[in-house]
Amino acid sequence: DTGVSQDPRHKITKRGQNVTFRCDPISEHNRLYWYRQTLGQGPEFLTYFQNEAQLEKSRLLSDRFSAERPKGSFSTLEIQRTEQGDSAMYLCASSSMDRTGELFFGEGSRLTVL
Amino acid sequence: QQQVKQSPQSLIVQKGGISIINCAYENTAFDYFPWYQQFPGKGPALLIAIRPDVSEKKEGRFTISFNKSAKQFSLHIMDSQPGDSATYFCAASMGTGRRALTFGSGTRLQVQP
Repeated sequence: DTGVSQDPRHKITKRGQNVTFRCDPISEHNRLYWYRQTLGQGPEFLTYFQNEAQLEKSRLLSDRFSAERPKGSFSTLEIQRTEQGDSAMYLCASSSMDRTGELFFGEGSRLTVL
Repeated sequence: QQQVKQSPQSLIVQKGGISIINCAYENTAFDYFPWYQQFPGKGPALLIAIRPDVSEKKEGRFTISFNKSAKQFSLHIMDSQPGDSATYFCAASMGTGRRALTFGSGTRLQVQP
């Protein structure tokens, strides 16, 4: 089963460091989403791509966050100058064009900023 | 408004009972309402979804009831089982799911044997 995979699963970093997460979507899916989830809360939308085009970014996404999907396949989410408030689970999801409402989520990358 | 409000925050149900989780939304442009189930350490997974042209959708033991005039929708889990113990999220989207999902805050369901 080639579901959505995310790497690394866990990342502990010191405040001020940069971190990068990678997401490999289901191969035939051309939509890719990034969400952030904190304990006891629902996933919070960050951004999404259709192929390599970034179509929407949340206003909550500060300038320290950047996402790319250079060839319309895998995606990276980089957080620069991390802050303790960035500690969260970063979820990636993908969907197909004919079933855009059905998101398939990965297991997430948990970030802890010390 | 993009907010989706979900209640209750937690729910304890006896095995065989009915679990009911409610959500309310404000944005009348929402036209796709899915429910996701999340187990600890896993990403959310789509459980069932409804569009506002119907008032109810049933899949197995799971039913969504939708009230367009009240801007509310709910998930009913019939004959609840311990394996249903998980966190449930309602969500909403525009463009029949083409826009990004806005999630509720979640309901932690515990089904006691």
